[in-house]
Amino acid sequence: DTTVKQNPRYKLARVGKPVNLICSQTMNHDTMYWYQKKPNQAPKLLLFYYDKILNREADTFEKFQSSRPNNSFCSLYIGSAGLEYSAMYLCASSRPGGNERLFFGHGTKLSVL
Amino acid sequence: AQSVTQPDARVTVSEGASLQLRCKYSSSVTPYLFWYVQYPRQGLQLLLKYYSGDPVVQGVNGFEAEFSKSNSSFHLRKASVHWSDSAVYFCAVSPNSGTYQRFGTGTKLQVVP
Repeated sequence: DTTVKQNPRYKLARVGKPVNLICSQTMNHDTMYWYQKKPNQAPKLLLFYYDKILNREADTFEKFQSSRPNNSFCSLYIGSAGLEYSAMYLCASSRPGGNERLFFGHGTKLSVL
Repeated sequence: AQSVTQPDARVTVSEGASLQLRCKYSSSVTPYLFWYVQYPRQGLQLLLKYYSGDPVVQGVNGFEAEFSKSNSSFHLRKASVHWSDSAVYFCAVSPNSGTYQRFGTGTKLQVVP
């Protein structure tokens, strides 16, 4: 079963409120990623876990947090949503290594009002 | 840092015609290179990947890509497109020692009758 699931598909949030997005995978992959995708822009890597080690991109370090309580599950947390957080959030997983294919979920479309 | 550029935001081709989608990469060493496709309402899926060996790589559904070190390119090709190939295609790069992939902005392919 090559499945990455993201919940919810659509999320509406108010400015200043927290947002928590959820991702799960059933392939026992060591690595899980979160990307942010805005229209006409490339998917932007926010952070990734290798096993229990979290790696965050320097320019998004303070804006996003994440947790991975077990191998199958990973969340993305925004403490205080701003309008600029409106985007599609893509979760992916893979075996370790930059040459491994990524398996993506359908994404969660976040709209901040 | 490694990056990829997809110069064509939209490409329209007639069904049965040949296709080339362009991707240029920036890297001081030969990176891992990937093409992913996103069909409507689906997650990104791997088409093919390259690291070394034969510069022409075969993928799924009749797609292939050719790596050119001299041109820093990894263009995607298909001899005869079908209406079902209509989708967004993303080129991605990973440093050969890295654990993440960086994506281009994508090319939206429309196949018309």
